[in-house]
Amino acid sequence: DVKVTQSSRYLVKRTGEKVFLECVQDMDHENMFWYRQDPGLGLRLIYFSYDVKMKEKGDIPEGYSVSREKKERFSLILESASTNQTSMYLCASSKRRGGTGELFFGEGSRLTVL
Amino acid sequence: QKEVEQNSGPLSVPEGAIASLNCTYSDRVSQSFFWYRQYSGKSPELIMSIYSNGDKEDGRFTAQLNKASQYVSLLIRDSQPSDSATYLCALQFSGGYNKLIFGAGTRLAVHP
Repeated sequence: DVKVTQSSRYLVKRTGEKVFLECVQDMDHENMFWYRQDPGLGLRLIYFSYDVKMKEKGDIPEGYSVSREKKERFSLILESASTNQTSMYLCASSKRRGGTGELFFGEGSRLTVL
Repeated sequence: QKEVEQNSGPLSVPEGAIASLNCTYSDRVSQSFFWYRQYSGKSPELIMSIYSNGDKEDGRFTAQLNKASQYVSLLIRDSQPSDSATYLCALQFSGGYNKLIFGAGTRLAVHP
């Protein structure tokens, strides 16, 4: 069974803390994505990566960075967490070539910044 | 204008009825369109994809695409309470990399 695993389901952090969200996929997918989901706004793309060490900004990259040192792992980093980054964060992966475009999502990480 | 627009709902339908969910988009070049279902507290899962004009049927689900009108819809026949969820419309961005742009979703409530 295909699987995208996010390391933490629930996190509570303080303003100014550095936050790491980890995502691992076992499908050998080239593409990996980080979205955030907020009520009324849907899923908004933060960053994506189409290969190891490659990254592209999505629609809302400000305040975030990413790291992809291995094909199966994609990390989202909040250098200095702020309250407006309280959200549900969803990692996803997909095939780059020959795929249908289907995204496989992890269970999500709900982050609260106090 | 948002790239993908959906009515947030809730759309309330009785059990056994047809639920009709609609989505409009602004990227004229997009070729691939998707419907994801998201249950409360869960992550989205793909239920339908459609790439060419017309209808595509899969069980109780029918996706309809009209590229000239930049419109995609999802029909759910014989709606069941288990269909109650948020339905997300997504299009594959024309810039490549299989990047998907999502609408905000329509919440569907099927009542017995």
